[in-house]
Amino acid sequence: KQEVTQIPAALSVPEGENLVLNCSFTDSAIYNLQWFRQDPGKGLTSLLLIQSSQREQTSGRLNASLDKSSGRSTLYIAASQPGDSATYLCAVSDDYKLSFGAGTTVTVRA
Amino acid sequence: GAGVSQSPSNKVTEKGKDVELRCDPISGHTALYWYRQSLGQGLEFLIYFQGNSAPDKSGLPSDRFSAERTGGSVSTLTIQRTQQEDSAVYLCASSLNGGNQPQHFGDGTRLSIL
Repeated sequence: KQEVTQIPAALSVPEGENLVLNCSFTDSAIYNLQWFRQDPGKGLTSLLLIQSSQREQTSGRLNASLDKSSGRSTLYIAASQPGDSATYLCAVSDDYKLSFGAGTTVTVRA
Repeated sequence: GAGVSQSPSNKVTEKGKDVELRCDPISGHTALYWYRQSLGQGLEFLIYFQGNSAPDKSGLPSDRFSAERTGGSVSTLTIQRTQQEDSAVYLCASSLNGGNQPQHFGDGTRLSIL
């Protein structure tokens, strides 16, 4: 069974600092890895999807890397803003089923 | 709107009652998924539809849970004889055709069993 771990569970940083969120998974036979953002009381917003054949994806201030062989992904958020405060979840896909980590709750202090 | 729509957004019911949760996927998306998010268990997969068929129901926790999808569009998740442990947020997602496509989520239905 795929196990997904996210470290740290919570993170508080001052505005402007770069964020580094880590995700690890136990079974490297994945189709893709997806990073989501979840605001309180809301659903999940897809941020980035990295195919298993890719090493990284970028969107604006967000960059995600994937090292499938070691079972790791990292989400970098540059120049954090208070609006980046949310819970960030990573999920790995075995074709269609997503297995989620417990998330990292980020607070960006103004 | 163009996103995944779920209703109701909140549901409070008494233990033992049946509930129906509805999901309207993004138009044209053939794949539809149900997940459950609870404090103790995190986000768990429940069921996957491709068109009107459900090739994977492995995440449904008991035979009190069932789901159907009609017209390759709307899906309903039904929980019979609800128990307190069924309290959770039920999330629906859709993707263009499964596989390597990103899943897009609705805002969920928050279910509370009294």
